[in-house]
Amino acid sequence: DQQVKQNSPSLSVQEGRISILNCDYTNSMFDYFLWYKKYPAEGPTFLISISSIKDKNEDGRFTVFLNKSAKHLSLHIVPSQPGDSAVYFCAASVESTGNQFYFGTGTSLTVIP
Amino acid sequence: SQTIHQWPATLVQPVGSPLSLECTVEGTSNPNLYWYRQAAGRGLQLLFYSVGIGQISSEVPQNLSASRPQDRQFILSSKKLLLSDSGFYLCAWTDFNYGYTFGSGTRLTVV
Repeated sequence: DQQVKQNSPSLSVQEGRISILNCDYTNSMFDYFLWYKKYPAEGPTFLISISSIKDKNEDGRFTVFLNKSAKHLSLHIVPSQPGDSAVYFCAASVESTGNQFYFGTGTSLTVIP
Repeated sequence: SQTIHQWPATLVQPVGSPLSLECTVEGTSNPNLYWYRQAAGRGLQLLFYSVGIGQISSEVPQNLSASRPQDRQFILSSKKLLLSDSGFYLCAWTDFNYGYTFGSGTRLTVV
């Protein structure tokens, strides 16, 4: 049972434009969300997080939006750069139960120069 | 600072052979440790997690096992590999403040 879903396996965006990666979850108890970025043959690295008390968190070119009522979060990258080409995973957890994270299946982003 | 080491980086093993992947964490005590697998089209799948020495929880029944002989050591094993065990294996730890920190991964190819 996939509690966190990324329905778009791939996305291509022109350099300089906005990349929007989407993630949906089913468990209403999730209260902490993260995005990870993964290059081939490397471990995922933390990108940005958001707690359920917020609906937006921004870090440089990266912004994560959380819509609790829709159980949906999205990652916006503006402007997109070729170095952003990677697989992006969203993850969710219930903070009070020990930080076990549930991952989506990933979205492969390609930024075209 | 905390670091996580995972080895080997790549491994090619014949079907039926044993497996041992090792993961160690430095700079922290009593971390929660995790083994994940990334298989084609299936994202990151949690295999095992451990909250302490000798404590292992399995998320997915399969041909693999895990052990935690020391506080900062987590081992993924198999007695006999199957072709379906091929994938990219990731060790991770968390200190409850930040989410996961992942190791660099092991690419396992079973032939």
